[in-house]
Amino acid sequence: AQTVTQSQPEMSVQEAETVTLSCTYDTSESNYYLFWYKQPPSRQMILVIRQEAYKQQNATENRFSVNFQKAAKSFSLKISDSQLGDTAMYFCAFMKPTNAGKSTFGDGTTLTVKP
Amino acid sequence: DTGVSQDPRHKITKRGQNVTFRCDPISEHNRLYWYRQTLGQGPEFLTYFQNEAQLEKSRLLSNRFSAERPKGSFSTLEIQRTEQGDSAMYLCASSPPPGTSTDTQYFGPGTRLTVL
Repeated sequence: AQTVTQSQPEMSVQEAETVTLSCTYDTSESNYYLFWYKQPPSRQMILVIRQEAYKQQNATENRFSVNFQKAAKSFSLKISDSQLGDTAMYFCAFMKPTNAGKSTFGDGTTLTVKP
Repeated sequence: DTGVSQDPRHKITKRGQNVTFRCDPISEHNRLYWYRQTLGQGPEFLTYFQNEAQLEKSRLLSNRFSAERPKGSFSTLEIQRTEQGDSAMYLCASSPPPGTSTDTQYFGPGTRLTVL
């Protein structure tokens, strides 16, 4: 079974600065997807960014980018120019395309952006 | 695109009562998932439907839990004889058919269950 570990339960960052959230996972699969989701205090989960394991290029979405290290099974999220609206819980998730699409989530990192 | 909707958003019930939650997925999505999320933890997979067929159930889904998706559109999750340990947020997600350009899941706002 796959496991996803987020070792930072809480983090904080000053507005406009950069922060990196860590995620490691364990799998014997070679093809899979990795995701970062954001869950603001209103609690609706929103997809932030997605990475296919077969792609060597790291995914980017505006201020959000990942550092995907397949050999190390590491998938960190970098948020640049942090904004107050980035305050949320962030979940790392793993999915095998062949496994009915269900995702395995980490326990999350609570990020607070301070003015 | 109205997104995934769930009803009710909040439910308070007494131990031993039955509750039912509804999920309406994005209209063109044939895959539907239920997850449970307790405070301070990530969502845990409960069950999965492709169209009307329930293809997978987690061991977390005890025999007090049942889910249906009768016409391959909306889904219901019923919990019988609720226990205090059932208190959690129940999340529904949907995704497009396999083989499409994305396997991304889109989540609803969740139903928060409190069992007194």
